Amino acid sequence: DVKVTQSSRYLVKRTGEKVFLECVQDMDHENMFWYRQDPGLGLRLIYFSYDVKMKEKGDIPEGYSVSREKKERFSLILESASTNQTSMYLCASSSFTGTYSYNEQFFGPGTRLTVL
Amino acid sequence: AQSVTQLGSHVSVSEGALVLLRCNYSSSVPPYLFWYVQYPNQGLQLLLKYTTGATLVKGINGFEAEFKKSETSFHLTKPSAHMSDAAEYFCAVSDQGLTGGGNKLTFGTGTQLKVEL
Repeated sequence: DVKVTQSSRYLVKRTGEKVFLECVQDMDHENMFWYRQDPGLGLRLIYFSYDVKMKEKGDIPEGYSVSREKKERFSLILESASTNQTSMYLCASSSFTGTYSYNEQFFGPGTRLTVL
Repeated sequence: AQSVTQLGSHVSVSEGALVLLRCNYSSSVPPYLFWYVQYPNQGLQLLLKYTTGATLVKGINGFEAEFKKSETSFHLTKPSAHMSDAAEYFCAVSDQGLTGGGNKLTFGTGTQLKVEL
């Protein structure tokens, strides 16, 4: 069974703390994504990566950075957490089978982050 | 830029009734369209997708969607709702020709489906 796992389901941090959210996939997928989900706004793409050590900004990258040192792991970093980063964070992965391949994204269960 | 509009943030139906969740898209190139479902406290799961070919797409759990280019729509339907269908549903459209070939998705704001006895 394919799987995307996220390091924590719930996380509470204080303003100014450095926060790491970890995502691991076991499907040997090339592409990995980080989204945040907020009520009424749907999912918004923060960053994505199509290869190890490669990263590209999504629609809302401000205040975030990412790291992909190994193919199976994609980390989201909040350098200095702020209250407006309180949200649900979802990681996803997909395979690359050629240009213009539109393969399903598989999602993790999410991490609900609260910044106090 | 592409976008997705989901009409109705909340839809309520009776068990056994038709489910209709609306999705309209905007895309400058032929779109690739997806419906995902999110059950409480879970990640998203693919219901169905349209890439090319037949415009009526069948998915899991009895759901289907029809791609209508003239109406720029991709509405999701199910003939008879079940209590287990209560969830949030997201429509999404895919980029083409993304760097490295990854398919970036643009999501709608979601529709919460409530099924009542």
